Amino acid sequence: EAGVAQSPRYKIIEKRQSVAFWCNPISGHATLYWYQQILGQGPKLLIQFQNNGVVDDSQLPKDRFSAERLKGVDSTLKIQPAKLEDSAVYLCASRRQGLGPYEQYFGPGTRLTVT
Amino acid sequence: AQSVSQHNHHVILSEAASLELGCNYSYGGTVNLFWYVQYPGQHLQLLLKYFSGDPLVKGIKGFEAEFIKSKFSFNLRKPSVQWSDTAEYFCAANTGNQFYFGTGTSLTVIP
Repeated sequence: EAGVAQSPRYKIIEKRQSVAFWCNPISGHATLYWYQQILGQGPKLLIQFQNNGVVDDSQLPKDRFSAERLKGVDSTLKIQPAKLEDSAVYLCASRRQGLGPYEQYFGPGTRLTVT
Repeated sequence: AQSVSQHNHHVILSEAASLELGCNYSYGGTVNLFWYVQYPGQHLQLLLKYFSGDPLVKGIKGFEAEFIKSKFSFNLRKPSVQWSDTAEYFCAANTGNQFYFGTGTSLTVIP
């Protein structure tokens, strides 16, 4: 079974520039999560999709962050414009649909450095 | 709101020492509990999970965790650590489709 794919793995941009990250979840996984992980901290949920609908985006800084999952499969997360404090690893995870004890499967993450 | 607390931020052990990492969650209802590990340069992966039944669950690489409902705890243990266990360990609680992560514990095992 293929894992969660993310690209790019690394990105360096200057502040005020824009950047986009891509995630392809495990086939058949209806739930997709984007997390921000700052060095030394646990993953912080940015947005959660169920198929192509948003379930939770309460912690997404909507003035600069956006995300979509148009066909209920892969997803993109965009930051525009980036700030220095956006430097972090952006993790994508997917999970089977349902209320069972299904774990999340994580991708390798995209390490973003904003200079 | 639900939260997960990991009280040990950095742990340094010698090889063969025993390990116990604390995890507490704040939710009175049904909750699934997980421990994830992140080895240097690798992505988060599941160590073990608890959802019902025997409160002592065993995971990969000799790890185990005990769910104590009265203490809202799900501590991770390993009787004898190895240098290869050096990693970040995250406790997570799940209700419905939502996951809550602790801040993580950095474990360094000295050969």
